[in-house]
Amino acid sequence: GAVVSQHPSWVICKSGTSVKIECRSLDFQATTMFWYRQFPKQSLMLMATSNEGSKATYEQGVEKDKFLINHASLTLSTLTVTSAHPEDSSFYICSAGHTRARTDTQYFGPGTRLTVL
Amino acid sequence: QKEVEQNSGPLSVPEGAIASLNCTYSDRGSQSFFWYRQYSGKSPELIMFIYSNGDKEDGRFTAQLNKASQYVSLLIRDSQPSDSATYLCAVKVAGTYKYIFGTGTRLKVLA
Repeated sequence: GAVVSQHPSWVICKSGTSVKIECRSLDFQATTMFWYRQFPKQSLMLMATSNEGSKATYEQGVEKDKFLINHASLTLSTLTVTSAHPEDSSFYICSAGHTRARTDTQYFGPGTRLTVL
Repeated sequence: QKEVEQNSGPLSVPEGAIASLNCTYSDRGSQSFFWYRQYSGKSPELIMFIYSNGDKEDGRFTAQLNKASQYVSLLIRDSQPSDSATYLCAVKVAGTYKYIFGTGTRLKVLA
Protein backbone atom coordinates (compact mmCIF):
# COMPACT_ATOMS: atom_id res chain seq x y z
CA GLY A 1 0.00 0.00 0.00
CA ALA A 2 0.85 3.74 -0.11
CA VAL A 3 2.06 3.86 -3.70
CA VAL A 4 2.73 7.20 -5.37
CA SER A 5 3.36 7.56 -9.08
CA GLN A 6 4.82 10.42 -11.07
CA HIS A 7 4.69 11.16 -14.76
CA PRO A 8 6.81 11.69 -16.71
CA SER A 9 9.89 10.09 -15.19
CA TRP A 10 12.13 12.32 -17.27
CA VAL A 11 11.64 15.22 -19.65
CA ILE A 12 13.88 17.32 -21.84
CA CYS A 13 12.56 20.63 -23.05
CA LYS A 14 13.71 23.83 -24.68
CA SER A 15 14.21 27.00 -22.70
CA GLY A 16 11.01 29.04 -22.49
CA THR A 17 8.59 26.14 -22.68
CA SER A 18 6.32 24.89 -19.91
CA VAL A 19 6.40 21.41 -18.43
CA LYS A 20 3.68 19.68 -16.43
CA ILE A 21 4.45 16.92 -13.94
CA GLU A 22 1.71 14.74 -12.47
CA CYS A 23 1.73 13.10 -9.07
CA ARG A 24 -0.83 10.45 -8.18
CA SER A 25 -1.53 8.48 -5.04
CA LEU A 26 -2.61 5.10 -6.39
CA ASP A 27 -4.07 3.26 -3.43
CA PHE A 28 -4.91 5.91 -0.88
CA GLN A 29 -6.39 9.36 -0.68
CA ALA A 30 -3.95 12.15 0.00
CA THR A 31 -5.38 15.38 1.29
CA THR A 32 -1.89 16.82 1.29
CA MET A 33 0.83 16.44 -1.30
CA PHE A 34 4.29 17.96 -1.28
CA TRP A 35 6.63 19.01 -4.06
CA TYR A 36 10.38 18.86 -3.58
CA ARG A 37 13.36 19.72 -5.72
CA GLN A 38 16.73 18.05 -5.41
CA PHE A 39 19.92 19.27 -7.07
CA PRO A 40 22.86 16.87 -7.50
CA LYS A 41 24.51 15.85 -4.23
CA GLN A 42 22.10 17.99 -2.22
CA SER A 43 19.19 17.13 0.00
CA LEU A 44 15.52 17.55 -0.74
CA MET A 45 14.21 21.08 -0.59
CA LEU A 46 10.49 21.54 -0.07
CA MET A 47 8.99 23.80 -2.69
CA ALA A 48 5.33 23.79 -1.73
CA THR A 49 2.58 22.05 0.13
CA SER A 50 -0.49 21.21 -1.89
CA ASN A 51 -3.88 20.73 -0.28
CA GLU A 52 -6.83 19.29 -2.15
CA GLY A 53 -9.28 21.96 -3.17
CA SER A 54 -7.26 24.93 -1.97
CA LYS A 55 -4.30 27.01 -3.01
CA ALA A 56 -0.82 25.65 -2.50
CA THR A 57 1.45 27.04 0.18
CA TYR A 58 4.86 27.92 -1.20
CA GLU A 59 8.13 27.97 0.70
CA GLN A 60 10.11 31.15 0.97
CA GLY A 61 12.02 31.89 -2.21
CA VAL A 62 9.88 29.70 -4.48
CA GLU A 63 8.12 31.69 -7.20
CA LYS A 64 4.45 30.76 -7.22
CA ASP A 65 3.93 32.19 -10.70
CA LYS A 66 6.72 30.04 -12.08
CA PHE A 67 5.82 26.80 -10.32
CA LEU A 68 2.08 26.37 -10.65
CA ILE A 69 0.55 23.72 -8.45
CA ASN A 70 -2.92 22.28 -8.78
CA HIS A 71 -4.43 19.68 -6.45
CA ALA A 72 -7.78 19.02 -8.04
CA SER A 73 -8.59 15.70 -6.42
CA LEU A 74 -7.59 13.53 -3.48
CA THR A 75 -5.34 11.46 -5.72
CA LEU A 76 -3.80 13.95 -8.16
CA SER A 77 -1.55 16.98 -7.88
CA THR A 78 0.25 18.64 -10.76
CA LEU A 79 3.29 20.89 -10.90
CA THR A 80 3.77 23.08 -13.97
CA VAL A 81 7.14 24.68 -14.49
CA THR A 82 6.35 27.71 -16.64
CA SER A 83 8.87 29.29 -19.00
CA ALA A 84 11.52 26.84 -17.94
CA HIS A 85 15.18 27.84 -18.02
CA PRO A 86 18.35 25.78 -17.67
CA GLU A 87 18.63 26.67 -13.98
CA ASP A 88 15.30 24.88 -13.43
CA SER A 89 16.93 21.60 -14.44
CA SER A 90 16.62 19.38 -11.40
CA PHE A 91 15.06 16.26 -9.94
CA TYR A 92 11.48 17.02 -8.92
CA ILE A 93 9.89 14.66 -6.43
CA CYS A 94 6.38 14.64 -5.05
CA SER A 95 5.18 12.99 -1.90
CA ALA A 96 1.73 12.25 -0.61
CA GLY A 97 0.75 12.43 3.00
CA HIS A 98 -1.27 9.46 4.19
CA THR A 99 -2.97 11.85 6.51
CA ARG A 100 -6.06 9.78 7.11
CA ALA A 101 -4.00 6.96 8.46
CA ARG A 102 -2.73 6.93 12.00
CA THR A 103 0.71 8.04 10.96
CA ASP A 104 1.73 11.26 9.24
CA THR A 105 4.15 9.57 6.95
CA GLN A 106 4.99 10.92 3.53
CA TYR A 107 5.37 8.49 0.66
CA PHE A 108 7.46 9.57 -2.26
CA GLY A 109 6.90 9.23 -5.96
CA PRO A 110 9.75 8.01 -8.17
CA GLY A 111 10.68 11.55 -9.23
CA THR A 112 10.88 13.44 -12.52
CA ARG A 113 14.20 14.46 -13.92
CA LEU A 114 13.85 17.74 -15.83
CA THR A 115 16.52 18.94 -18.23
CA VAL A 116 16.05 22.34 -19.81
CA LEU A 117 18.24 23.02 -22.83
CA GLN B 1 15.57 28.45 11.40
CA LYS B 2 14.72 24.84 12.07
CA GLU B 3 17.59 22.53 11.19
CA VAL B 4 18.35 18.87 10.83
CA GLU B 5 22.01 17.89 10.76
CA GLN B 6 23.71 14.75 9.57
CA ASN B 7 27.30 13.84 8.87
CA SER B 8 27.61 13.66 5.09
CA GLY B 9 30.07 10.77 5.20
CA PRO B 10 30.88 8.60 3.46
CA LEU B 11 30.58 6.11 6.27
CA SER B 12 32.32 2.92 5.24
CA VAL B 13 31.63 -0.35 7.06
CA PRO B 14 32.54 -3.93 6.18
CA GLU B 15 29.84 -6.36 5.15
CA GLY B 16 28.19 -7.91 8.20
CA ALA B 17 29.04 -5.04 10.51
CA ILE B 18 26.68 -2.62 12.24
CA ALA B 19 26.29 0.77 10.59
CA SER B 20 25.36 3.65 12.88
CA LEU B 21 23.85 6.77 11.40
CA ASN B 22 23.17 9.87 13.45
CA CYS B 23 20.97 12.92 13.20
CA THR B 24 20.39 15.96 15.41
CA TYR B 25 17.56 18.44 15.15
CA SER B 26 16.93 21.92 16.48
CA ASP B 27 13.16 22.09 16.97
CA ARG B 28 12.29 20.89 20.47
CA GLY B 29 8.63 20.75 19.53
CA SER B 30 9.14 18.05 16.89
CA GLN B 31 7.42 14.78 17.65
CA SER B 32 7.81 12.68 14.51
CA PHE B 33 11.03 11.42 12.99
CA PHE B 34 11.67 9.44 9.85
CA TRP B 35 14.51 7.64 8.15
CA TYR B 36 14.56 7.33 4.38
CA ARG B 37 17.00 5.54 2.10
CA GLN B 38 17.85 7.06 -1.26
CA TYR B 39 19.78 5.26 -3.95
CA SER B 40 21.61 7.37 -6.49
CA GLY B 41 19.21 8.79 -9.06
CA LYS B 42 16.16 7.47 -7.24
CA SER B 43 13.61 9.00 -4.88
CA PRO B 44 13.63 8.35 -1.13
CA GLU B 45 12.00 5.25 0.27
CA LEU B 46 10.77 5.04 3.83
CA ILE B 47 12.71 2.78 6.17
CA MET B 48 10.98 3.57 9.41
CA PHE B 49 9.50 6.23 11.64
CA ILE B 50 9.73 6.79 15.36
CA TYR B 51 7.69 8.96 17.69
CA SER B 52 8.60 7.82 21.21
CA ASN B 53 11.84 7.96 23.14
CA GLY B 54 13.80 4.73 23.09
CA ASP B 55 14.39 2.09 20.47
CA LYS B 56 12.19 0.79 17.68
CA GLU B 57 13.25 -2.30 15.78
CA ASP B 58 12.18 -3.47 12.34
CA GLY B 59 14.17 -6.37 10.95
CA ARG B 60 17.81 -5.34 10.61
CA PHE B 61 16.98 -1.71 11.35
CA THR B 62 16.73 -0.05 14.74
CA ALA B 63 15.78 3.59 15.20
CA GLN B 64 16.71 5.31 18.44
CA LEU B 65 15.21 8.54 19.68
CA ASN B 66 16.30 10.79 22.52
CA LYS B 67 14.14 13.90 22.61
CA ALA B 68 16.00 15.42 25.56
CA SER B 69 19.22 15.39 23.55
CA GLN B 70 17.37 16.10 20.27
CA TYR B 71 19.04 13.13 18.70
CA VAL B 72 17.79 10.34 16.49
CA SER B 73 19.85 7.50 15.10
CA LEU B 74 19.53 4.50 12.80
CA LEU B 75 21.40 1.24 13.31
CA ILE B 76 21.69 -1.24 10.49
CA ARG B 77 22.73 -4.70 11.63
CA ASP B 78 24.43 -7.25 9.37
CA SER B 79 25.09 -4.55 6.77
CA GLN B 80 24.95 -5.70 3.15
CA PRO B 81 26.45 -4.12 0.02
CA SER B 82 22.86 -3.46 -1.09
CA ASP B 83 22.50 -1.14 1.90
CA SER B 84 24.97 1.24 0.26
CA ALA B 85 22.95 4.41 -0.27
CA THR B 86 22.33 7.84 1.19
CA TYR B 87 20.27 7.82 4.37
CA LEU B 88 18.09 10.85 4.98
CA CYS B 89 16.81 11.88 8.37
CA ALA B 90 13.53 13.81 8.28
CA VAL B 91 11.83 15.68 11.10
CA LYS B 92 8.21 16.73 10.95
CA VAL B 93 7.69 20.38 11.85
CA ALA B 94 5.39 20.60 14.85
CA GLY B 95 1.87 21.66 13.97
CA THR B 96 2.32 20.99 10.25
CA TYR B 97 2.69 18.05 7.90
CA LYS B 98 5.97 19.45 6.57
CA TYR B 99 9.29 17.67 6.90
CA ILE B 100 12.74 19.14 7.16
CA PHE B 101 15.38 16.86 5.72
CA GLY B 102 18.98 16.53 6.71
CA THR B 103 21.60 16.53 3.99
CA GLY B 104 21.94 12.77 4.27
CA THR B 105 24.74 10.39 5.18
CA ARG B 106 26.28 8.32 2.42
CA LEU B 107 26.84 4.74 3.54
CA LYS B 108 29.22 2.37 1.79
CA VAL B 109 29.14 -1.28 2.76
CA LEU B 110 32.29 -2.98 1.59
CA ALA B 111 32.06 -6.57 0.38
